[in-house]
Amino acid sequence: ILNVEQSPQSLHVQEGDSTNFTCSFPSSNFYALHWYRWETAKSPEALFVMTLNGDEKKKGRISATLNTKEGYSYLYIKGSQPEDSATYLCAQRNYNQGGKLIFGQGTELSVKP
Amino acid sequence: DVKVTQSSRYLVKRTGEKVFLECVQDMDHENMFWYRQDPGLGLRLIYFSYDVKMKEKGDIPEGYSVSREKKERFSLILESASTNQTSMYLCASSPRGLGNSPLHFGNGTRLTVT
Repeated sequence: ILNVEQSPQSLHVQEGDSTNFTCSFPSSNFYALHWYRWETAKSPEALFVMTLNGDEKKKGRISATLNTKEGYSYLYIKGSQPEDSATYLCAQRNYNQGGKLIFGQGTELSVKP
Repeated sequence: DVKVTQSSRYLVKRTGEKVFLECVQDMDHENMFWYRQDPGLGLRLIYFSYDVKMKEKGDIPEGYSVSREKKERFSLILESASTNQTSMYLCASSPRGLGNSPLHFGNGTRLTVT
């Protein structure tokens, strides 16, 4: 099983702070990288699906970058708000694993007002 | 919007019971998945299905089976529940192919086995 690692495991920031976290994955046979946001008592929802090295995607105050050659993706949140509090999951799809998505353990973000 | 519905939000079962977790999606997706989520471990794939009556083992299939008799419904079965199957279970679906479509998740079922 491939290792998809996320750091940090948890993060506590103040409202208005900008923050970022990392997803690391094996770079060989890369297919796609997914980011999901999982709020308490809700279902995980997709933020981004990224496939190309150098990809940058943006959704409101949230953006993500992808480096497939070195095997990492960053998720940025600009001006964090309390409603951004959630667990952020990344997952890699890789040709070696029959196309299955392999998830990292998540980064739990808490934004204090 | 795709809706993935899991039949129960919370379940409490006894060791040795047969447990059924039901999942229904309303967007005619071919692919359906069952994951479990445990603290510090992320989502782990139990079983998945690419079509009706078709199933594939994921990374942790031991102690589980699945059924997909209709396209919209994917059931996870714990043949004889054990305490180490206490977990959050998530169902997900996606359209055909291994392309770039994201997964659509249900709200999850928190199962406690006592």
